[in-house]
Amino acid sequence: EAQVTQNPRYLITVTGKKLTVTCSQNMNHEYMSWYRQDPGLGLRQIYYSMNVEVTDKGDVPEGYKVSRKEKRNFPLILESPSPNQTSLYFCASSFLGEELGYTFGSGTRLTVV
Amino acid sequence: AQSVTQLGSHVSVSEGALVLLRCNYSSSVPPYLFWYVQYPNQGLQLLLKYTTGATLVKGINGFEAEFKKSETSFHLTKPSAHMSDAAEYFCAVIYNAGNMLTFGGGTRLMVKP
Repeated sequence: EAQVTQNPRYLITVTGKKLTVTCSQNMNHEYMSWYRQDPGLGLRQIYYSMNVEVTDKGDVPEGYKVSRKEKRNFPLILESPSPNQTSLYFCASSFLGEELGYTFGSGTRLTVV
Repeated sequence: AQSVTQLGSHVSVSEGALVLLRCNYSSSVPPYLFWYVQYPNQGLQLLLKYTTGATLVKGINGFEAEFKKSETSFHLTKPSAHMSDAAEYFCAVIYNAGNMLTFGGGTRLMVKP
């Protein structure tokens, strides 16, 4: 089944403790992206990647890192999480070609206390 | 900055009534346009999209949307609401090459019996 898989689905952590949210897709998509969803703000892009070893900042990159060492994986790293990073995170992927739209993962609900 | 505006963060309709969710984009160049739906505790699912061609687009679950260039709008409609339509709906656009999907703030649809 074609899908984007995120792990974990839920995570509660403490301020400053490094964490990684994994994202993997099995569709051979070149493009991958991370979004955070906050009430009233919709989804805002954190980082994106056009292909292996090619990443760039989205609208809200502060406090986050990403890497794209393999085509299928695009982990999101929070080196020192803070409470304002409490949010719902989505990974998405697509082929390069704007008309196709994205496939989204099921989301990771992160709480930083 | 280019943006997407969804009028009304909450919309309430009675079961069987018309659903109208509004979306306006800000660009003189027609973008690619999408509507996504998010059911509680789930990821985003593509409802429909406009890329080129016919301006009235039909999607899943009886929804449709019409691209109106003169009004820079892409409103989502459904003739008769069903209880199962209760969800959050996001309008999104891709403005130019690069695949970046920009989201509106979302509209939560409530359906009353």
